Amino acid sequence: ILNVEQSPQSLHVQEGDSTNFTCSFPSSNFYALHWYRWETAKSPEALFVMTLNGDEKKKGRISATLNTKEGYSYLYIKGSQPEDSATYLCAFSNTGKLIFGQGTTLQVKP
Amino acid sequence: DTEVTQTPKHLVMGMTNKKSLKCEQHMGHRAMYWYKQKAKKPPELMFVYSYEKLSINESVPSRFSPECPNSSLLNLHLHALQPEDSALYLCASSQGVGRRTEAFFGQGTRLTVV
Repeated sequence: ILNVEQSPQSLHVQEGDSTNFTCSFPSSNFYALHWYRWETAKSPEALFVMTLNGDEKKKGRISATLNTKEGYSYLYIKGSQPEDSATYLCAFSNTGKLIFGQGTTLQVKP
Repeated sequence: DTEVTQTPKHLVMGMTNKKSLKCEQHMGHRAMYWYKQKAKKPPELMFVYSYEKLSINESVPSRFSPECPNSSLLNLHLHALQPEDSALYLCASSQGVGRRTEAFFGQGTRLTVV
């Protein structure tokens, strides 16, 4: 059974704080690691698809790193804003399947 | 158009009913997916269609029956469901099933079985 773990489960920060969360995944048979952002009552939205060990990707204030040898990825949000409040899901890609973690729910207080 | 549209948004059905969930995309994607998500759990893959053919069935009970009538449409036919099947059902599509392909999700159908 392939397990994808995310931590923490939830996070409350003040506007302006920077924050980061972790995604752990199996290090064998790695294909890709996806990050999604899921706001309440909306569709999950793809943030990054990462495939190479050492990959770093950035989109505005959000960035992610990937370590496939040890099986983890970090998602960073710099200067959190209330509109960043959402659940952030990572998903390990294995031969056409996306296996999701439980997500980290971020609440940013103004 | 980068949308995946799912209907209905909410569905309440009895255990003897037959109903269908619908999913539509017009991005030219050739892979489509059904996921099931129960509260506080990660989305779980149910089915994958690639080029309109069922390529993955994650041992889903036969009371769930997928159908892909064409490359833009994906249905999930429901019959004789149980209350524990109540969940959010998400549809997704991607260009293919390759490893770099990002998936585009619909908003989901919230299903309640009574």
